[in-house]
Amino acid sequence: AQKVTQAQTEISVVEKEDVTLDCVYETRDTTYYLFWYKQPPSGELVFLIRRNSFDEQNEISGRYSWNFQKSTSSFNFTITASQVVDSAVYFCALPGRRALTFGSGTRLQVQP
Amino acid sequence: GAVVSQHPSWVICKSGTSVKIECRSLDFQATTMFWYRQFPKQSLMLMATSNEGSKATYEQGVEKDKFLINHASLTLSTLTVTSAHPEDSSFYICSASVGGRDRVGYEQYFGPGTRLTVT
Repeated sequence: AQKVTQAQTEISVVEKEDVTLDCVYETRDTTYYLFWYKQPPSGELVFLIRRNSFDEQNEISGRYSWNFQKSTSSFNFTITASQVVDSAVYFCALPGRRALTFGSGTRLQVQP
Repeated sequence: GAVVSQHPSWVICKSGTSVKIECRSLDFQATTMFWYRQFPKQSLMLMATSNEGSKATYEQGVEKDKFLINHASLTLSTLTVTSAHPEDSSFYICSASVGGRDRVGYEQYFGPGTRLTVT
């Protein structure tokens, strides 16, 4: 069965600090995708990235970067120079048999 | 592109009444639609998967008679919470998939969610 673990329940940082959100997953699939979503206080899920298991290159998008390591089944997400607007709950997800399996989420609070 | 809307965005109802939530894919035809429920400070839990024209597939522990799902067209799915009780108060999120049912990978587009409060 698919499983996604986000061990960090809540993280608090001060603005401009870098922060890394951890995601560890379990799957029996040899080919799969991994996702990260952001859920701000409004509740709407914001898609951040979809990553194919074939591609282990790190990806960078502005202040966001992702480190995918298949050998350790991890797909960590780093925010560089965090901002107050980054405050949200972040979910890592993996497609299951019928739909996405979400991790428990990490609540990030960025203090000014 | 790939916008999913939900209506209403929030609703308050009295215990014992029924509430219908609509999920629409605005600019694409959705092969499959999904309904999730999210309790405060918790993750999203899949309730059911629906395909147009067929019965929904419910996850274990989700009462079919209480959470009625109708997928009338490729752009509309509805979730009706029947005889709602305070414990049904939650954030309900739908998503729509444009891909096939391939387990390997597909994209889901999420609606903005509906906050249900049952008093």
